[in-house]
Amino acid sequence: GENVEQHPSTLSVQEGDSAVIKCTYSDSASNYFPWYKQELGKRPQLIIDIRSNVGEKKDQRIAVTLNKTAKHFSLHITETQPEDSAVYFCAASDTNAGKSTFGDGTTLTVKP
Amino acid sequence: GAGVSQSPRYKVAKRGQDVALRCDPISGHVSLFWYQQALGQGPEFLTYFQNEAQLDKSGLPSDRFFAERPEGSVSTLKIQRTQQEDSAVYLCASSSLGGYGEQYFGPGTRLTVT
Repeated sequence: GENVEQHPSTLSVQEGDSAVIKCTYSDSASNYFPWYKQELGKRPQLIIDIRSNVGEKKDQRIAVTLNKTAKHFSLHITETQPEDSAVYFCAASDTNAGKSTFGDGTTLTVKP
Repeated sequence: GAGVSQSPRYKVAKRGQDVALRCDPISGHVSLFWYQQALGQGPEFLTYFQNEAQLDKSGLPSDRFFAERPEGSVSTLKIQRTQQEDSAVYLCASSSLGGYGEQYFGPGTRLTVT
């Protein structure tokens, strides 16, 4: 089955700096890669996603890159703000099967 | 419109009791997923429905876990003879696009087995 590794487990940055979170996956059948943000005590919410036929996607301060050959994808947040502080999860999904496998999360702290 | 709702939000069960957790997906969403989230970890896949068909139940930890979605809308996750290791948050998510596209998560049910 699919295995998703996420690094780092914790990340602390100063407000205004960039943050990068990296994930690797094992199953070459995975073709959809969403990123979720989960604030303390709340439900995960999608912040950005990328499909396997695209190498990069950007939405304002957030971008995701995908390297299918190396089986890794990354989340980039620029100009971080204190409200970006949360746990971020990557996931890999085989859309033919429907199942999603999540990483263990990265706790991002943005210091004002 | 209304998002995904789950009930109860909190459940305390004594070891050996049976529990039933309910999920109301977004109206019209054909896909429904159940996940188990232990403290400090990512959601772990349990099972997936497309309409009333359970297409994948490979993540269910044991035969004590059973899920159904008889009319293709509301789903129930049942855990029989609960054990302490079943303590976790159980998340339900629904999607209009099957495996692709955003999964909208419910608030979760926190199950504590004593």
